Amino acid sequence: SQQGEEDPQALSIQEGENATMNCSYKTSINNLQWYRQNSGRGLVHLILIRSNEREKHSGRLRVTLDTSKKSSSLLITASRAADTASYFCATDAGSYIPTFGRGTSLIVHP
Amino acid sequence: DAGVIQSPRHEVTEMGQEVTLRCKPISGHDYLFWYRQTMMRGLELLIYFNNNVPIDDSGMPEDRFSAKMPNASFSTLKIQPSEPRDSAVYFCASTLRDEAFFGQGTRLTVV
Repeated sequence: SQQGEEDPQALSIQEGENATMNCSYKTSINNLQWYRQNSGRGLVHLILIRSNEREKHSGRLRVTLDTSKKSSSLLITASRAADTASYFCATDAGSYIPTFGRGTSLIVHP
Repeated sequence: DAGVIQSPRHEVTEMGQEVTLRCKPISGHDYLFWYRQTMMRGLELLIYFNNNVPIDDSGMPEDRFSAKMPNASFSTLKIQPSEPRDSAVYFCASTLRDEAFFGQGTRLTVV
């Protein structure tokens, strides 16, 4: 069964706006990761946050983790058309084996 | 390193035929994963290897699916016989510690 589930399933915004995606999971984790998938391509790792971390930044990306609520959020600031892609969270359920949700499809309109 | 390399990129085959998908992981990575992606089911973990040894194949849908990793630089996923419902994109990924590196995938169409 899938460990993480992203919300919303689809998100459509204008260039320059911020995009926020959420991930909920069910069991304890060692870390949570976010990946991006462009159409027709493989997944690309964006950022990893460990269970003892609450927030992490990488460029225009900000990830938060709330282990008490078993949830994470990915914020993309000042979005660009090139950010159009599907975004997945991956949790490891304590086993270091990444398990993915169904993803959030983000469309950024120029 | 060129990253995880999968072949072929596209495969169209007739129902009942044998299909073999290939993967070359990143050198030095100790885990290798095979995933299947469909619109209906998302990304499913089929099987994974640690140091060339199959650890968990509980995600393999049926006995028609088999996977091998004869050495650290090569793995195959075989479907025999193939069925139309096997049509999907199959991804191979390798990891060292936590971050997974994915190949570009093989788009399989069974007609």
